[in-house]
Amino acid sequence: AQTVTQSQPEMSVQEAETVTLSCTYDTSESDYYLFWYKQPPSRQMILVIRQEAYKQQNATENRFSVNFQKAAKSFSLKISDSQLGDAAMYFCAYSPRSNDYKLSFGAGTTVTVRA
Amino acid sequence: KAGVTQTPRYLIKTRGQQVTLSCSPISGHRSVSWYQQTPGQGLQFLFEYFSETQRNKGNFPGRFSGRQFSNSRSEMNVSTLELGDSALYLCASSYGTGSTGELFFGEGSRLTVL
Repeated sequence: AQTVTQSQPEMSVQEAETVTLSCTYDTSESDYYLFWYKQPPSRQMILVIRQEAYKQQNATENRFSVNFQKAAKSFSLKISDSQLGDAAMYFCAYSPRSNDYKLSFGAGTTVTVRA
Repeated sequence: KAGVTQTPRYLIKTRGQQVTLSCSPISGHRSVSWYQQTPGQGLQFLFEYFSETQRNKGNFPGRFSGRQFSNSRSEMNVSTLELGDSALYLCASSYGTGSTGELFFGEGSRLTVL
């Protein structure tokens, strides 16, 4: 079974500063996807960034970047130049390519941005 | 392009009743999956439908069921409701084949069981 662990229940960051969210996962698959999803309060979950396991290059999307360490099964998210709109619950998620509709989620990290 | 639409957004039921939730995927998406979100258990996979067929099911009792129609719209049903079924039920859609793995989520249906 695949498990995803987010060890930080809450993180706080000053506006314009950088925050890093941690995620580790366990799988016996070699081909899979990793995701970070953002769920603002009472709003729908949206994809922040996606990484394919066979790509060694770390994914980036504007102010969001990941540090993907396949051997260590680690997948952290860095939010640079934090903005008030970044405040949300962030979920790390995993899916095998063979069943890419079946996400396994971590418990989530609540990010608070201080003005 | 319209997003994933879930109805109803909020509902209150009593123990023993049943409930049906509806999900309309993004146009062109043929895969619809359902997740249950609770504070205690987090986000858990319920089941997924593709072209009217259930391809996979999570570890939930048989009281949880679903179906998909020819237009890809999906419904999930929970019978004999229990207090522990109180949750946010999320629907997500994707193309289902040759996709990038990204799921597009609806806003959810928040079920309260009294």
